[in-house]
Amino acid sequence: DQQVKQNSPSLSVQEGRISILNCDYTNSMFDYFLWYKKYPAEGPTFLISISSIKDKNEDGRFTVFLNKSAKHLSLHIVPSQPGDSAVYFCAAPAPNNAGNMLTFGGGTRLMVKP
Amino acid sequence: KAGVTQTPRYLIKTRGQQVTLSCSPISGHRSVSWYQQTPGQGLQFLFEYFSETQRNKGNFPGRFSGRQFSNSRSEMNVSTLELGDSALYLCASSFGQGYEKLFFGSGTQLSVL
Repeated sequence: DQQVKQNSPSLSVQEGRISILNCDYTNSMFDYFLWYKKYPAEGPTFLISISSIKDKNEDGRFTVFLNKSAKHLSLHIVPSQPGDSAVYFCAAPAPNNAGNMLTFGGGTRLMVKP
Repeated sequence: KAGVTQTPRYLIKTRGQQVTLSCSPISGHRSVSWYQQTPGQGLQFLFEYFSETQRNKGNFPGRFSGRQFSNSRSEMNVSTLELGDSALYLCASSFGQGYEKLFFGSGTQLSVL
């Protein structure tokens, strides 16, 4: 049972344009979401997060939108740069859990073409 | 500040063998989590240790086990290796309080032949 899904395994975007990466979840108890970026041969690095009390969070070129009624979140990268080419994972911590048990989506490979 | 260190970087084993992977967290971090990454499966949570105690466990068979030492360093062990255990094993550390971003190591790439 995949509680967090990223239905697009890959996305190709031209440099300077907007990249939109999508994530859907099924567990309505999730109340916090994170995005991680992963380059080959490296571990994932934290990118941006959003609490369920918000519907948008912005950090420079990165914005995450949360639509709780649709159980959907998206990561917007504007403008996209070739260095953004990586695999992006959305994740949610287990609700009511004292620890750091994250459920990850399957990832979306973003390719930004110069 | 040094990051999360995982050793070894690469491992090749044969079916039936056992393997031990090591993780040194960022100094001061008391929580260490382990994840398995396979193509198409994303990252699957294995377990989390906090102050030498297993705090959470994922849906993996008992062949997968771990422990944490008093200096917060952690090891995970896989016994009776199967071909399907071939994966990138990632360790992540944090202070261990609530919803925090995790700091990941570069992982150990395990190949089971």
